[in-house]
Amino acid sequence: AQSVSQHNHHVILSEAASLELGCNYSYGGTVNLFWYVQYPGQHLQLLLKYFSGDPLVKGIKGFEAEFIKSKFSFNLRKPSVQWSDTAEYFCAVNARSGYSTLTFGKGTMLLVSP
Amino acid sequence: DTEVTQTPKHLVMGMTNKKSLKCEQHMGHRAMYWYKQKAKKPPELMFVYSYEKLSINESVPSRFSPECPNSSLLNLHLHALQPEDSALYLCASSQLESGNTIYFGEGSWLTVV
Repeated sequence: AQSVSQHNHHVILSEAASLELGCNYSYGGTVNLFWYVQYPGQHLQLLLKYFSGDPLVKGIKGFEAEFIKSKFSFNLRKPSVQWSDTAEYFCAVNARSGYSTLTFGKGTMLLVSP
Repeated sequence: DTEVTQTPKHLVMGMTNKKSLKCEQHMGHRAMYWYKQKAKKPPELMFVYSYEKLSINESVPSRFSPECPNSSLLNLHLHALQPEDSALYLCASSQLESGNTIYFGEGSWLTVV
């Protein structure tokens, strides 16, 4: 079965700092990779996704992620964070053939101080 | 705004009660899902419906009973729950094929007392 590992459970940054959140997955076959964000008290929203093609994918709100197949990684980046980026970030993988089910990492809580 | 609508947003129920959570989507998706999310934990898959038929049950206790009356609606019937079942219950939908984006509703916060 596939699994997803997020290295940082809590990250605290000041506004304008750069962000990189790590995500590694374990699965030997073809995967689709996602980053979701959950703002306090709100529902999960898709930030970006990778299915195939260019391993550098750009998402909403200035986020991007790079798929490195050899490292089984899909790290999320943003050059300059804002206070409004304070949220929980979940990396997820879909590797079950025939269904779009997701396996989530444990999440990273990002706190951006103004 | 999410296109997956869940009701109620908040529910408090006793351990002997019977209640239902409802979910609706009008995106023409043929796959619908129930996930459970405990505080500060990632969502965990409970059920998958494809073409209104139950396809995946992740060993969920029978006190949770899903139902898919039609392609737009998904219910989760609750009976004899335990306090540890208190959580955020998320409905989601997607196109059926592997790898499609899953769209989540805002969730129903359930408290079992």
